[in-house]
Amino acid sequence: GAVVSQHPSRVICKSGTSVKIECRSLDFQATTMFWYRQFPKQSLMLMATSNEGSKATYEQGVEKDKFLINHASLTLSTLTVTSAHPEDSSFYICSASRGGGFKGTDTQYFGPGTRLTVL
Amino acid sequence: DAKTTQPTSMDCAEGRAANLPCNHSTISGNEYVYWYRQIHSQGPQYIIHGLKNNETNEMASLIITEDRKSSTLILPHATLRDTAVYYCIVMAYNTDKLIFGTGTRLQVFP
Repeated sequence: GAVVSQHPSRVICKSGTSVKIECRSLDFQATTMFWYRQFPKQSLMLMATSNEGSKATYEQGVEKDKFLINHASLTLSTLTVTSAHPEDSSFYICSASRGGGFKGTDTQYFGPGTRLTVL
Repeated sequence: DAKTTQPTSMDCAEGRAANLPCNHSTISGNEYVYWYRQIHSQGPQYIIHGLKNNETNEMASLIITEDRKSSTLILPHATLRDTAVYYCIVMAYNTDKLIFGTGTRLQVFP
C-alpha cells in the first residue's frame, strides 16, 4: 500500500511553454500533498503544501504564480510550471500523506519524480 | 524546526550491519524522527519513524537515545541495493513538513 505515481516521468519543453505534472495516490486518499524540487547533487527542497479543496501554501521564495498547484481531489494534485525557463530544469517530486492524524505524525509517501528539461 | 546532523558518507560491506547515526539535539518532546532514503534519480522511500521507543520493521531498526538527542538507523544485513542517500528528519510537531538536510551517502560494497 501507499503508492504514489507521477506523470510524466520525463518531459522536455521549449522555453516559454507551460508544463503540467500530475501526482496521484493510487491506493489511499491523500488529504495533503507536497511538492519538492531537487537540483543535481543537492537535497530536496520543499516548494509547497497542498490540501484537497484549498489553496496551496508556498514556501518562502517560491513563486506561486509560476508554480501553480491544484489539489482537486483526494487522489490527485497537479503542478504546472508556467512559462518555463532553463533555470526551471530540475527533478520535481511529489509526496502524499493520509492526514487525519496528529500533525507531525503523518508519514509521507513519495512519487518517483519527474525530470523537467527546459531548452 | 529541529535540525539534524549526519555524516556525509559511510561505507559498509555487503552482508554486514549498516549503522547510520543522526544527531538532533534540539528536538522537542513531541517531534518524531523520520528516516527516508533516496536511491539515485528516484523519489525518497520511507524507511521508519519513531518518537521515543526503539522501532523495528521489515526494512530497518531505529534506536533512539533516552534523551532523544540522537538516533541510529540500523540496516541489519546491508545489500548492494541499499546504496543510497539516507535522510534523518525531525518533523516539527505543529506541521507535517519534511525538511531535508544533506543526508548520509551510504555505499555498500561487495
